[in-house]
Order: sequence, then structure tokens, then C-alpha cells
Amino acid sequence: DAGITQSPRYKITETGRQVTLMCHQTWSHSYMFWYRQDLGHGLRLIYYSAAADITDKGEVPDGYVVSRSKTENFPLTLESATRSQTSVYFCASSESGWLGGSSYEQYFGPGTRLTVT
Amino acid sequence: DQQVKQNSPSLSVQEGRISILNCDYTNSMFDYFLWYKKYPAEGPTFLISISSIKDKNEDGRFTVFLNKSAKHLSLHIVPSQPGDSAVYFCAASLGAQKLVFGQGTRLTINP
Repeated sequence: DAGITQSPRYKITETGRQVTLMCHQTWSHSYMFWYRQDLGHGLRLIYYSAAADITDKGEVPDGYVVSRSKTENFPLTLESATRSQTSVYFCASSESGWLGGSSYEQYFGPGTRLTVT
Repeated sequence: DQQVKQNSPSLSVQEGRISILNCDYTNSMFDYFLWYKKYPAEGPTFLISISSIKDKNEDGRFTVFLNKSAKHLSLHIVPSQPGDSAVYFCAASLGAQKLVFGQGTRLTINP
């Protein structure tokens, strides 16, 4: 299917475990993003990538690692999960420049609900 | 330091009436503003946007107004429909691909 997909959709893990959330897009968009959504905070940027092998920190990067070896994939790894990382995680992608008359529009995946016990 | 704020966590409106969602920002360098709509268990979807050089943009039932002097933008939905019940996020861009989001406002349209 075309678009942006995330896996798994739901994950329960224990404190201290490593967990990887996957994101895949079929549009060949240059930019990809990881956000977390928490009550009272809206969407906060964790990491983003402008192209393959180019990544940069967002607002809340601590405890997370990303990589982007291929344009279409942008996995997010929690190296040692903590309870404060319980959240809903969204991946998004966008193309640089203007898109049909609007700029900076990002397309979001369906999200991964992660619970750390 | 919340650069984009949506001070109303929730809003309830009668079907057919106008819904007005508000958003305030602090950084005068934001050059583009966007509104996203989110249903439960789905990702946010783009709704409408406005450049900082404009003060109004309209798309069907949705209109976004930008007041730069007040650092305030609003989304008007008229007439409101039951399918508009969702969480609405405003977002702002600083001339790059990164967006800064507000906390969201839950809109409920009552029949």
C-alpha cells in the first residue's frame, strides 16, 4: 500500500529493554520525522532527517536513537526504555519546498502506542 | 517554553453553528502556520495552512485567520458538522521543515 506505515501499532515492554519502532514511506519524501504525543504537550519532535544518512535532534531527543540508511525507512530506537517514554509515537514525512501551493505539510503515519511497564 | 499555545483544551459546538479554534504563538519569526485534524487511533491529517504574509486563507467550510500583531491565529469551521468532532492542532514553521505544535483542542459537535 502506498503511504506511510508504522509498526508495531501497539507495544508493551519492560523498563530497561531496547525497543525499535519502524516507519516506512512509499513517496520517496526527503524529510522524515518522529514525534511523541502526550496529554498537555501536543506533538513534540524527537528527531528528524532531511535525507538518507542525515539526522538531527528535535525538542526531546534524550533516550532515543535514529538511523536512516534508506530514504524510505526511519526507525526509532529506545535504547533502555523508561516509564516516562510511555506515549503515542507518530512518524511523518514531507517533501521539501512547495507542495500543491502549501508549504511544510507533513503526512503522518497511524501511530504506535508504546507502554513501558 | 511553549512557543505555540492552544489555551482551550476542549470546545463544544452545536451542529450547524460556527466553531472557532484559537492558537497563540510567541515567535514572530514563524513564517507558516498549519492546522491538523486528528481522529482517535489515527495520525494527524493536514487541514489548512496560511503564510505569514497573508491574513486569511479559505478552503470550503474552513477559514484560517492570522493576526500577526497579536501573534494569534484562528480556525473557523462553518457550518460545523458531526464529522468535524476531532482534536485540532495548530502548528508553526520557522522557515525549515520542522513544525512546532500546540497542545491541541478537542472539538465536539453536538447534534
